[in-house]
Amino acid sequence: DQQVKQNSPSLSVQEGRISILNCDYTNSMFDYFLWYKKYPAEGPTFLISISSIKDKNEDGRFTVFLNKSAKHLSLHIVPSQPGDSAVYFCAARYMEYGNKLVFGAGTILRVKS
Amino acid sequence: NAGVTQTPKFQVLKTGQSMTLQCAQDMNHEYMSWYRQDPGMGLRLIHYSVGAGITDQGEVPNGYNVSRSTTEDFPLRLLSAAPSQTSVYFCASSPGTVGGGYTFGSGTRLTVV
Repeated sequence: DQQVKQNSPSLSVQEGRISILNCDYTNSMFDYFLWYKKYPAEGPTFLISISSIKDKNEDGRFTVFLNKSAKHLSLHIVPSQPGDSAVYFCAARYMEYGNKLVFGAGTILRVKS
Repeated sequence: NAGVTQTPKFQVLKTGQSMTLQCAQDMNHEYMSWYRQDPGMGLRLIHYSVGAGITDQGEVPNGYNVSRSTTEDFPLRLLSAAPSQTSVYFCASSPGTVGGGYTFGSGTRLTVV
């Protein structure tokens, strides 16, 4: 029973264009949603988060949108750069249950120059 | 400032052997977790801890034990290794603050033959 789903295994985008990564969730108890970026042979690194009471959070080239009614969030990267090529994981947090994170399967982003 | 340190980076075990994956953090974080990453499955929570002396099971705890005797250390023990435990293991820590993400170690790649 996957509570956090990333339905696109991979995405290819041209440098300078927008990358949109999507994530769906099923549990209304999540209080925060986070995006992590992972390069090969490294641990995931925290990118950006959004509270369940917000609908948008922006940090430089990265913006996360949350649609609670649809239980959907997306990460927008504008403009995309070759260095953004990595695996992106969506995660949802249960603060009430020991600050646990539940991860999606990840999306491989390739930014072509 | 080392962050989260995992040792070893690579390990090959024979079926039935036991071993301990080490994890240490120097950020005085209360929350620590162990995840395993398998292709197409994202990161799955094995065990987590909300403070010294307090641990609990995650999604896939079978075959693993943990203890948390200090804030800094959170070792993961494989009791009797099985090929199904071949995976990449990540340790992570978090201060548990609002919006705060987890900091991950660089991982341990374990192969059980």
